[in-house]
Amino acid sequence: QKEVEQDPGPLSVPEGAIVSLNCTYSNSAFQYFMWYRQYSRKGPELLMYTYSSGNKEDGRFTAQVDKSSKYISLFIRDSQPSDSATYLCATSAGGTSYGKLTFGQGTILTVHP
Amino acid sequence: SQTIHQWPATLVQPVGSPLSLECTVEGTSNPNLYWYRQAAGRGLQLLFYSVGIGQISSEVPQNLSASRPQDRQFILSSKKLLLSDSGFYLCAWSRVDRGDIQYFGAGTRLSVL
Repeated sequence: QKEVEQDPGPLSVPEGAIVSLNCTYSNSAFQYFMWYRQYSRKGPELLMYTYSSGNKEDGRFTAQVDKSSKYISLFIRDSQPSDSATYLCATSAGGTSYGKLTFGQGTILTVHP
Repeated sequence: SQTIHQWPATLVQPVGSPLSLECTVEGTSNPNLYWYRQAAGRGLQLLFYSVGIGQISSEVPQNLSASRPQDRQFILSSKKLLLSDSGFYLCAWSRVDRGDIQYFGAGTRLSVL
């Protein structure tokens, strides 16, 4: 079993839709949770960073962590064609001198006009 | 502000040839540095990380090596490339005290033929 599971999609939605991207993880030691956005042939860009359970909102993006069910989500409101990209979730237990991140496989999202 | 440079963007190499990918970071000092490989449909796999000059740690055994000759320079190398070395290679950096927040370069797409 992979430590972080993410539905690879692809996910196709119309412009303006609410998008829900999800990951599950198995290691209860994970306490830092990240979402990255990766455009085609580009490096990942950090979108959201959360610590422990709860919600964090940034513009049209909301990250949600439920540690009791080991479930993390990213919601995109009023989706735009420019949101079309691969979204990667990542987790970390912390406590090391470097950042040991565990990534999901990525979900490919297409928002069509 | 901090920027990370990675080159070349694309590389086609014959099997058995050497490899050298370079990454430099500007605008920060003593960063943690990372090399990842991303295979299609499979998240990011950490290959090497470095917490200081000359300090390299390997996460997976492979045909590759890494070096950090200067504080903000990270090099990925191979003496003889294999077909299985093809992939998308990403360099990343983080602050020493925030290893979980990593910033990625644009990546190098390597094709070994």
